[in-house]
Amino acid sequence: LAKTTQPISMDSYEGQEVNITCSHNNIATNDYITWYQQFPSQGPRFIIQGYKTKVTNEVASLFIPADRKSSTLSLPRVSLSDTAVYYCLVGLKPPNDMRFGAGTRLTVKP
Amino acid sequence: NAGVTQTPKFQVLKTGQSMTLQCAQDMNHNSMYWYRQDPGMGLRLIYYSASEGTTDKGEVPNGYNVSRLNKREFSLRLESAAPSQTSVYFCASTGLSLNTVYEQYFGPGTRLTVT
Repeated sequence: LAKTTQPISMDSYEGQEVNITCSHNNIATNDYITWYQQFPSQGPRFIIQGYKTKVTNEVASLFIPADRKSSTLSLPRVSLSDTAVYYCLVGLKPPNDMRFGAGTRLTVKP
Repeated sequence: NAGVTQTPKFQVLKTGQSMTLQCAQDMNHNSMYWYRQDPGMGLRLIYYSASEGTTDKGEVPNGYNVSRLNKREFSLRLESAAPSQTSVYFCASTGLSLNTVYEQYFGPGTRLTVT
């Protein structure tokens, strides 16, 4: 299984763009990269998934360099409601053994 | 669609008691998972089931057993509860979304306290 490393915490202000980087040096050829968001007292919620280059959806963008050893989740113009823990996962498609790391605690300030 | 449902939502056990946490999904997903989350920590995988009839250990399987009863249901059993098993337990299932990506869908969690 590919091990992931993320910053433990980040602070931002409303309206700013936030970039959270995840390191996954031993990613395998078949692995996809997926990001989840978790609010207190709730289960994680899917944000975005990608394999290479760039993926964008209505809430975030995911940037993956050519060597795929890292990935960056980009949240445009964050608001207070984006305060949450963000997890990066690397795994097979279809996923079997899905393991979450410690995640990055993002705090958005007014 | 109810998604992923878990019962009970809260439970208090005494050390040594047993109980089963129930999980069901109505999305026709093949893969199902049980995680635990201790305060201020990330999720740790206890067991997973890639498909009906198969189960595999995750990171922290000791003290737990699972049963994949059918495609919809995946239960987690604590045979002899210990205070170290005090945690929030999340069940999840994985399937192909409309955007053709594999998403994991989580239940609301079960808060278990063992005294």
